[in-house]
Amino acid sequence: DGGITQSPKYLFRKEGQNVTLSCEQNLNHDAMYWYRQDPGQGLRLIYYSQIVNDFQKGDIAEGYSVSREKKESFPLTVTSAQKNPTAFYLCASRDRGYEQYFGPGTRLTVT
Amino acid sequence: GESVGLHLPTLSVQEGDNSIINCAYSNSASDYFIWYKQESGKGPQFIIDIRSNMDKRQGKRVTVLLNKTVKHLSLQIAATQPGDSAVYFCAENWGSGGYQKVTFGTGTKLQVIP
Repeated sequence: DGGITQSPKYLFRKEGQNVTLSCEQNLNHDAMYWYRQDPGQGLRLIYYSQIVNDFQKGDIAEGYSVSREKKESFPLTVTSAQKNPTAFYLCASRDRGYEQYFGPGTRLTVT
Repeated sequence: GESVGLHLPTLSVQEGDNSIINCAYSNSASDYFIWYKQESGKGPQFIIDIRSNMDKRQGKRVTVLLNKTVKHLSLQIAATQPGDSAVYFCAENWGSGGYQKVTFGTGTKLQVIP
């Protein structure tokens, strides 16, 4: 059963702590993306990776970091430098076409 | 997530009626457009796409219309059902090969009244 998974679905952290969000896909897609979704706003690109061991900053990369050591995995770390980390985070992957396949999302709450 | 639907324009439609959801895009160089559906607490799902060299494309119960003159996209859902209740947003794409850029719209919340 092919797809893209994110875990956990809900995550709670104290301010000042780094937290890593998991994203795994078994679709054999080269490109992977991380988006942030806030109420009333469109998806905003945090980081993307076109291929293993390579990634690029998106529009709102400050306070985030990523790695792409394996094709299947693209974890996102929300660091303490991110001023407003509470949000819904979506991971996506893409094959050669334009369509992106999204995971179910992780809702991060930082207090 | 659940709060994604807050602060969004909302379209309320009676079950069985047709729905029309609109999207204005910004880049005249965009060459490919996608409509996504996002149910509460879930990730977006592909509904239908259209290339810029087309002005209409039909799927099962859905039709997308593209007007490049005014940079406007619409999604028509026929015989709307309760399961259609979700947030719908468009995405415009441009670029090719290794470089592609996509911009997502803010979305419209569709509420189907049984």
